[in-house]
Amino acid sequence: AQSVAQPEDQVNVAEGNPLTVKCTYSVSGNPYLFWYVQYPNRGLQFLLKYITGDNLVKGSYGFEAEFNKSQTSFHLKKPSALVSDSALYFCAVRDPTGGSYIPTFGRGTSLIVHP
Amino acid sequence: DAEITQSPRHKITETGRQVTLACHQTWNHNNMFWYRQDLGHGLRLIHYSYGVHDTNKGEVSDGYSVSRSNTEDLPLTLESAASSQTSVYFCASSEQGNEQYFGPGTRLTVT
Repeated sequence: AQSVAQPEDQVNVAEGNPLTVKCTYSVSGNPYLFWYVQYPNRGLQFLLKYITGDNLVKGSYGFEAEFNKSQTSFHLKKPSALVSDSALYFCAVRDPTGGSYIPTFGRGTSLIVHP
Repeated sequence: DAEITQSPRHKITETGRQVTLACHQTWNHNNMFWYRQDLGHGLRLIHYSYGVHDTNKGEVSDGYSVSRSNTEDLPLTLESAASSQTSVYFCASSEQGNEQYFGPGTRLTVT
C-alpha cells in the first residue's frame, strides 16, 4: 500500500523568506515521489520528481525537494519565496513495485506568501 | 507543443440528464486518468485507462463511465447526473508511471 501525508493545510511565509512545504510518505519499496502546484482555476502542474539518484531534486520556478529515506519525507523548498508562489501544492507517491501507474496524492497545502 | 485539453470548461446541467466531458491529449501517452476535486477531499480517482480499449474503475466510479477508442481521447460520461456530482473534473495523462500532465479542468454544476 502507498500513502502520503501533508501535515499542514496552510503555510504562511513572508516574501523573500525561505519556504518549506512538508510531505511524508509510506510505501513498501523505493518510492517515486512528485510535487505539483495548482494555481486558482487551473489544473495541477508538475514541479519535480524523485525516482532515484541524488537526494536533492531541482525543479521548475526555483523549487527543490530533498528525499530523506530514513525520515520518509520529501519536503518542498525554495530559498526565497515570491508572492506569485502563492498556490496549492500537492505531494504524490507511487510504489513502482506494485505494477500500478496510479499515484496517491496528498490533501494539498495552501501556500500563502505575504508581501 | 503537446497538451491536454478539456471541454467544456463550464457546464450546468439538470439532475437526471446524461453529461459527457471530453478529454483530448496530444502527448501520445498510453495512460489517462479522470479525477474529481472537491473541498475537503482533495483529488479522487474516478476512472483510468492504460491504453486503447482498456478502462478501469477508480475509488469513486459509481455513476460514471469512460471509453477509450483511441490513444488521444478519454471521454467521461455521467449516466444520470446527481447533485453530488457537482465538482471540478480533471483529466490527466502520463507515460508509464511518470509524472502526470493535467488538463485545465471542467467545472460541473448539477441543479
